[in-house]
Amino acid sequence: AAGVIQSPRHLIKEKRETATLKCYPIPRHDTVYWYQQGPGQDPQFLISFYEKMQSDKGSIPDRFSAQQFSDYHSELNMSSLELGDSALYFCASSLGGQGSYEQYFGPGTRLTVT
Amino acid sequence: AQTVTQSQPEMSVQEAETVTLSCTYDTSESDYYLFWYKQPPSRQMILVIRQEAYKQQNATENRFSVNFQKAAKSFSLKISDSQLGDAAMYFCAYRSARMKGTALIFGKGTTLSVSS
Repeated sequence: AAGVIQSPRHLIKEKRETATLKCYPIPRHDTVYWYQQGPGQDPQFLISFYEKMQSDKGSIPDRFSAQQFSDYHSELNMSSLELGDSALYFCASSLGGQGSYEQYFGPGTRLTVT
Repeated sequence: AQTVTQSQPEMSVQEAETVTLSCTYDTSESDYYLFWYKQPPSRQMILVIRQEAYKQQNATENRFSVNFQKAAKSFSLKISDSQLGDAAMYFCAYRSARMKGTALIFGKGTTLSVSS
């Protein structure tokens, strides 16, 4: 079965640079979520989109922005990168309709800021 | 705000034995979902089992089962016939049913080690 695709899988950036992470949800899934997981920590919710509209918002820094496109893929844009942004970034997708509530995670993008 | 607590940072079990991981949560909502996710060393997040709060029957998926006590706000995971491949970090997670696209709220996780 098709899974959530994230690209790139690894990314190395320097402080103050910009990064763009991409997420391609499972086919027919209309909801996308972004999570950040630091070393030894639990995943922290950043933001979600349902049918291309922002649905829920968590602890996403103002330096980050995201959107969901007409084909339901999503991009997380991160500017003015800081050392503390080094983390594993997960995208998850789900069907937003009634009765469908499981979130399936992609493999993650490992971002290292030097 | 909802919170999820996993009070066991680490647990260990021998192959073929049974282990139970604990999870409690706090919420004022009546309609929600609960999940257990597994994160092996590869760091992929794998959905293990889920429970709808309105269902009294405990969910079961092969060797994995839960003990859902809604009044006590408790949601423990039992792994039977443990296998070496079960070694991983396990996260308990809560999700509100109030609207589409709501986030998962995770506990701090329990690291499970399995010995032969």
